[in-house]
Amino acid sequence: GAGVSQSPSNKVTEKGKDVELRCDPISGHTALYWYRQSLGQGLEFLIYFQGNSAPDKSGLPSDRFSAERTGGSVSTLTIQRTQQEDSAVYLCASSFRVTRASGYEQYFGPGTRLTVT
Amino acid sequence: AQSVTQPDIHITVSEGASLELRCNYSYGATPYLFWYVQSPGQGLQLLLKYFSGDTLVQGIKGFEAEFKRSQSSFNLRKPSVHWSDAAEYFCAVVTVGLSFGAGTTVTVRA
Repeated sequence: GAGVSQSPSNKVTEKGKDVELRCDPISGHTALYWYRQSLGQGLEFLIYFQGNSAPDKSGLPSDRFSAERTGGSVSTLTIQRTQQEDSAVYLCASSFRVTRASGYEQYFGPGTRLTVT
Repeated sequence: AQSVTQPDIHITVSEGASLELRCNYSYGATPYLFWYVQSPGQGLQLLLKYFSGDTLVQGIKGFEAEFKRSQSSFNLRKPSVHWSDAAEYFCAVVTVGLSFGAGTTVTVRA
């Protein structure tokens, strides 16, 4: 079946602009995660959605970052007033997370490479 | 907080030689541990995972890892490396999402 898809694959934006990054998880996966991969910080967890519960936003680096998940499926990560330090690859992952003993296996999308000029 | 540490930033190994990548975890209870691989320009691919039970776990591409509670380690091994194994390898532990180590880049020389 189809894997996790993300769009766009590349995004170049000017400092101060807002950007939206999209993630389509694997069908049937209830959990969705956003991560950021940058040279200086490595792989960082950003936000986690599980079903219809309130998201865990503990990894978001600032209030310029937000995310939503509509209908328990597609998710959009929004970065407002982008800064050069936001340049990174943004990865989305999904999992069939039901209990602690199952569903921690996350499947990653190819990522969106964001460049802020 | 739960975390993992990968002590080796870069490892060079000859094709056909064995490979061992180190991962140490910091967690009180039994952690849920993973190894992922990222080839150049590619996404993250799960190699193997440990939740409980047998401490020696087998993964894809001929990789295995051993969970050692006494050493707080979850090292990844492969008996004979192929040139296609050149990539970056990440150890990770479940927290809210995954907490990743800094990664180890593996270079394979002919």
